[in-house]
Amino acid sequence: DAMVIQNPRYQVTQFGKPVTLSCSQTLNHNVMYWYQQKSSQAPKLLFHYYDKDFNNEADTPDNFQSRRPNTSFCFLDIRSPGLGDAAMYLCATSAGTGDFHEQYFGPGTRLTVT
Amino acid sequence: GQNIDQPTEMTATEGAIVQINCTYQTSGFNGLFWYQQHAGEAPTFLSYNVLDGLEEKGRFSSFLSRSKGYSYLLLKELQMKDSASYLCAVRDSNYQLIWGAGTKLIIKP
Repeated sequence: DAMVIQNPRYQVTQFGKPVTLSCSQTLNHNVMYWYQQKSSQAPKLLFHYYDKDFNNEADTPDNFQSRRPNTSFCFLDIRSPGLGDAAMYLCATSAGTGDFHEQYFGPGTRLTVT
Repeated sequence: GQNIDQPTEMTATEGAIVQINCTYQTSGFNGLFWYQQHAGEAPTFLSYNVLDGLEEKGRFSSFLSRSKGYSYLLLKELQMKDSASYLCAVRDSNYQLIWGAGTKLIIKP
């Protein structure tokens, strides 16, 4: 089945220790998104790629970086995690951004910072 | 600024009908989405409205009034598995999705 896969599902890191979350997709979608979602809050868009074009949200901290080496994979790097970065990180894909293009979400990675 | 408002929590009885409202103020409008999110899981797509009116899909229906900046999700014949958060999201003039915080729906037997 075509899908969005995120690894790991649960990640524990230490304060200040870099961590990388990964996302892969078999949908061959052009667009990949990274969201941060804290408990009972709306998903917050961090950045997205349209093909190789990187789009950073204005309020995404510099501590968060992303890489998309090919269509299938996208990575979220948190350079120096703080306690406030503990959250669920959701990767999503869509075929495009115009008209009706729903976003397909992966299962998420729950990040704990100790 | 851009804003999506939904009730924080609602409770309903198994077998009943519930309506979850969403009001929005965004810079432009290019469609409204409803997603379902079970606790600890990723959101899954439920419905999409871009024109005024009602879209029906099985037990779920979604309504849109663009002039009022208003939508609702109607769930019929509620089942215990419908206990989840329901997120309303609007695509703005830049085709970015603006998300609401979600409505936690609790179904009681």
